Amino acid sequence: EDQVTQSPEALRLQEGESSSLNCSYTVSGLRGLFWYRQDPGKGPEFLFTLYSAGEEKEKERLKATLTKKESFLHITAPKPEDSATYLCAVRASGGYNKLIFGAGTRLAVHP
Amino acid sequence: NAGVTQTPKFRVLKTGQSMTLLCAQDMNHEYMYWYRQDPGMGLRLIHYSVGEGTTAKGEVPDGYNVSRLKKQNFLLGLESAAPSQTSVYFCASNAGTGSYEQYFGPGTRLTVT
Repeated sequence: EDQVTQSPEALRLQEGESSSLNCSYTVSGLRGLFWYRQDPGKGPEFLFTLYSAGEEKEKERLKATLTKKESFLHITAPKPEDSATYLCAVRASGGYNKLIFGAGTRLAVHP
Repeated sequence: NAGVTQTPKFRVLKTGQSMTLLCAQDMNHEYMYWYRQDPGMGLRLIHYSVGEGTTAKGEVPDGYNVSRLKKQNFLLGLESAAPSQTSVYFCASNAGTGSYEQYFGPGTRLTVT
């Protein structure tokens, strides 16, 4: 059964304090791993797609990396505006581009 | 482009009442999805559609029905609302082929009392 687990549940950082969020997955043949950002009261916003181990994607202070069992979202020198919930998802078996989501990591960056 | 829009944004129902949530997308996407989001549980797929006139069950379909009469619209119905259906509902769409990320609407917060 496809499964996604994110850790930690919540993370508090000081502005400028770099850290990483973890997404571990179990899937029969990875066909895409996705990172989303969700602000309070809003829908998830697409950030990255990764397809194969060793792949990396970057956007501003965020970098996503992928291994055969997990993905990391590295946040370098975060700012308060990076505060959000970050969601990880894998493309599920069975077609139709269905996604299986983790429960998310709530990130709070304090000045 | 507005992307994915949802109406209404908020709704309060009494147990046993019915309602329909509307999702519209202007990206000409083939696939559309309905999710619910509950604290600590992540997004769970309710129903999805792979094209106009088609629908299929997702992970948690009980108590919901859907229809996709037009390619750009995907409706989610609750025939007899229950307190367990209190949640935030999100619609998403995907191009279908060659592009696998889903794009989400702003959500509908539903409370059933």
